This record gives sequence, C-alpha cells and structure tokens, in this order.
Amino acid sequence: ETGVTQTPRHLVMGMTNKKSLKCEQHLGHNAMYWYKQSAKKPLELMFVYSLEERVENNSVPSRFSPECPNSSHLFLHLHTLQPEDSALYLCASSQDSGGPTQYFGPGTRLLVL
Amino acid sequence: GENVEQHPSTLSVQEGDSAVIKCTYSDSASNYFPWYKQELGKGPQLIIDIRSNVGEKKDQRIAVTLNKTAKHFSLHITETQPEDSAVYFCAANGTALIFGKGTTLSVSS
Repeated sequence: ETGVTQTPRHLVMGMTNKKSLKCEQHLGHNAMYWYKQSAKKPLELMFVYSLEERVENNSVPSRFSPECPNSSHLFLHLHTLQPEDSALYLCASSQDSGGPTQYFGPGTRLLVL
Repeated sequence: GENVEQHPSTLSVQEGDSAVIKCTYSDSASNYFPWYKQELGKGPQLIIDIRSNVGEKKDQRIAVTLNKTAKHFSLHITETQPEDSAVYFCAANGTALIFGKGTTLSVSS
C-alpha cells in the first residue's frame, strides 16, 4: 500500500445527483492532487493543493469542486455530472507541490448514468 | 506545450524475455523522470525514477536510462514474469508531472 486511501472505490450516480469522493494520506505530505484517468488518454491533472491552498486548477468544469480541510484530507465534490465524466479518479500526494515524487491512491471508479 | 510521448502502446513478450518501453519529452528543463506500474483495479505505483544528473539506474530486474541530449528515457525489464503484466506509465516534471499515455505489457508463460 502507498499510504494514500480513497473512498468509495466504486460509485454510480445519475446526472442530477450530488456525491463526494474522499482521499486521505498517511505520509505526512504537504501537497495533494486529483487526477482523472480515462481510457486511451494520459492522466489529466485536475487540482493541486499545497498546505491546504489550491495552487493549480487545470480549467476543470465547475461541476467538480475540490475541498482540502487539512493537509491529510482531500475531497472532490461532484454535482450535475455528465456521462463523459465517467472515469477513474485518482488522488495522489507528494512532500511538496514541487514534489516531485507522487504517490497514488487506488482510485474511485465513477460511472455517470 | 509540455508533452511526453510513450511507445509502444502495447507490448507482448514471452516469460523470460526482456521488455523495453521508450518515452520522449519536450521540456528541456525537466529533470525528474518516474515510471509507474498500474495493475488492474489499482492506482499507479512508483517502480523506479531517475534524475537528470544520472544516466542509468537499476533496481533488480528493472533499469531506466536517460539521454538528456535527445530527450529520451527508457524502461528496461529483464527476465520478465507473468506478474510484470500491467500498464506502465512514464512521466517527466515540468510545471506539473506530465504523463505518457501508457504501455500495456502482457507477459505470457
């Protein structure tokens, strides 16, 4: 195990639902990340938090809303998603936002109906 | 913009053979190059990394080589085993960690 946990591991939701993904890291790191992994595409960086402050937002639609209450926890709040948002959502952490070594959680497999 | 190209996209080898995966990067300022292995149902796991001040690094059956002039780096797996079957990703640091599209390695016994 990498020291990064994610819940739930699987999620099915309708387009009108609101749900949240949770990530927790037990490594004492200061930076946390959300990635989207779709088939046949490179990992897409969505959000970066360093010491609980968002330092990067790669033009992600507002239907994805991150929250970082402390350096060990990261959430991704989801609302009014589209079917094309179905993917594996990965959380990662690193010592600092400059990293560079990132450690990934197991991911949440999301299906939007 | 920053880009990492990875080849091949799929690779099938017989158990005991060697496997080589190659990546090229565009940002000449990149100085850190990790490789991740992702098994089915799991997140990517770091297997080896190399920094720009080193040309080669080995860890048991895995080695990584770096050619900064050509902006190439490669993963070499020797004496492959069925448990090496997975998707492998290369990455290079820039303003963020930029990943390749992945190589699906299948090792048949």
